[in-house]
Amino acid sequence: DAKTTQPPSMDCAEGRAANLPCNHSTISGNEYVYWYRQIHSQGPQYIIHGLKNNETNEMASLIITEDRKSSTLILPHATLRDTAVYYCIVRVELQETSGSRLTFGEGTQLTVNP
Amino acid sequence: DVKVTQSSRYLVKRTGEKVFLECVQDMDHENMFWYRQDPGLGLRLIYFSYDVKMKEKGDIPEGYSVSREKKERFSLILESASTNQTSMYLCASSLQGWYRETQYFGPGTRLLVL
Repeated sequence: DAKTTQPPSMDCAEGRAANLPCNHSTISGNEYVYWYRQIHSQGPQYIIHGLKNNETNEMASLIITEDRKSSTLILPHATLRDTAVYYCIVRVELQETSGSRLTFGEGTQLTVNP
Repeated sequence: DVKVTQSSRYLVKRTGEKVFLECVQDMDHENMFWYRQDPGLGLRLIYFSYDVKMKEKGDIPEGYSVSREKKERFSLILESASTNQTSMYLCASSLQGWYRETQYFGPGTRLLVL
């Protein structure tokens, strides 16, 4: 299983871009990178995922390096409501089914300050 | 919007009691999952189901069982609750798809076993 490494915490000023890094140096060619976040006392929320190319949606942008060994989640204009734990996950395939397991590590606690 | 609901947000039970945690999703998803989340251990998969009446063990199935009689409903059963099952329990669902699977989580049930 590809493991991910994230800094335990980061701070960001409200209105500025938050750039959250993730290392996944053992990722294999067919594994996607997913980002989820978890606001305190709530269930995790899907943000974005990608394979090779950079991706953007209404919540965030995902930049994946060419060698795919690391990625960065960008929240372009962070708000106080973006304060959460952010998880970078490499999708792990389950054998003999078409389901998959998400292995969440400790993630990065992002605190957006006024 | 995908909606995953869980029967209780908070639950207090006594050691030895049989506990039922219910999860319902309204998006016709094939896959459903039960995780538990504990500080320092991240999210761990207990059981998952990829079809009605089908179930597969996850990483930590001991002490738990599941039931999926209808596509939209996935129940987690603690046959005889113990204090080490005090945890946050999260249900998730997803469509089947080999590489494009996004999991949608419920709000979680915080279970305390006394």
